Amino acid sequence: DTGVSQDPRHKITKRGQNVTFRCDPISEHNRLYWYRQTLGQGPEFLTYFQNEAQLEKSRLLSDRFSAERPKGSFSTLEIQRTEQGDSAMYLCASSLQGWEKLFFGSGTQLSVL
Amino acid sequence: AQSVAQPEDQVNVAEGNPLTVKCTYSVSGNPYLFWYVQYPNRGLQFLLKYITGDNLVKGSYGFEAEFNKSQTSFHLKKPSALVSDSALYFCAVRDGGYSTLTFGKGTMLLVSP
Repeated sequence: DTGVSQDPRHKITKRGQNVTFRCDPISEHNRLYWYRQTLGQGPEFLTYFQNEAQLEKSRLLSDRFSAERPKGSFSTLEIQRTEQGDSAMYLCASSLQGWEKLFFGSGTQLSVL
Repeated sequence: AQSVAQPEDQVNVAEGNPLTVKCTYSVSGNPYLFWYVQYPNRGLQFLLKYITGDNLVKGSYGFEAEFNKSQTSFHLKKPSALVSDSALYFCAVRDGGYSTLTFGKGTMLLVSP
């Protein structure tokens, strides 16, 4: 497998701007997850997809956050009107349904100035 | 609600000595328990899991973990530490009725030569 890839690796933006991140999961994986990780903390669940359906969203996910997986392959996570508190590492992971092992990408580091 | 506690921010051990990284959990149903490791500038990697069966599970790189239901613990162990084991270790739990993982805040393992 080629692994989970995320793009970009780093993003610096100004407060109030919109940003979009992309995740390409392992090709045969039907589940895709987004997590957020801040320094000194473990990953926090944001949302997950099974194929193209978004099945669960965390209460942490404000209305400024939206995620899509239009064809059940890659996914995008958009943050509108970014705030300094959005600065974090955004992690994507994928898995096969019924297979408990998650494969993580290297993440996108977001810095909001 | 499900939660994980990793009581130690850092564990220091000398190479060749046994190591233990502690984890306790709380779930309302049957726990699915995991350990992941994060090396610098790399994504989280799966180490091992407990779903059911033998309380001692073996995983990658010589690591093992012991499930203790009465103490609600899932400590990570290795008989002989290597310098290359130095990394950030995360315990995670999923309540059998839910599809998302909750991670602990992580424990930094430092193995000295």
